[in-house]
Amino acid sequence: DAGVIQSPRHEVTEMGQEVTLRCKPISGHNSLFWYRQTMMRGLELLIYFNNNVPIDDSGMPEDRFSAKMPNASFSTLKIQPSEPRDSAVYFCASSLAGVNSPLHFGNGTRLTVT
Amino acid sequence: RKEVEQDPGPFNVPEGATVAFNCTYSNSASQSFFWYRQDCRKEPKLLMSVYSSGNEDGRFTAQLNRASQYISLLIRDSKLSDSATYLCVVKPVDSNYQLIWGAGTKLIIKP
Repeated sequence: DAGVIQSPRHEVTEMGQEVTLRCKPISGHNSLFWYRQTMMRGLELLIYFNNNVPIDDSGMPEDRFSAKMPNASFSTLKIQPSEPRDSAVYFCASSLAGVNSPLHFGNGTRLTVT
Repeated sequence: RKEVEQDPGPFNVPEGATVAFNCTYSNSASQSFFWYRQDCRKEPKLLMSVYSSGNEDGRFTAQLNRASQYISLLIRDSKLSDSATYLCVVKPVDSNYQLIWGAGTKLIIKP
């Protein structure tokens, strides 16, 4: 049974470049979360989708960040243009029913912006 | 004051010992509580939910003290494989998607 699948695992890019992170949630899960983790700030919720609809994007740092979920099996998080302070581990997680059921995290994408 | 606070550690504990750590939360209306485990350079994984009456899962025991607003995690007969960061997580009563994450307590089990 496949878990949440994220790609790429690692991304190194130069400041100003566009970065696209991808996520495939667990089949049947209707909730999808994008988190960012850094040493300084810990885990931060960036955006939450329910049934493919963005419910809360208040955690998205600024207009450079955007996220889409065109269907139940795919989501993207895009940063354009990227900046060094965006360097972090980005996790996608899915669940059956918001946070009333366990969150299943993907392996994460480790982003380094130079 | 942070909404969820944990001692960052690290806790250095010999194999076979018992270790416990606490987590305090600031919102008395918090509804649900969890412990997640995160191995180095891996994703967080749910360890256990914390119930009002306390609960046990093998060597792990979780307790909730609503009056003092803290939860605890006790690990008995610790194994080398228990080495990880333990994240305390609190769900507010007024949201079905928000979780408040602690920064984590790092545990190192030594042979």
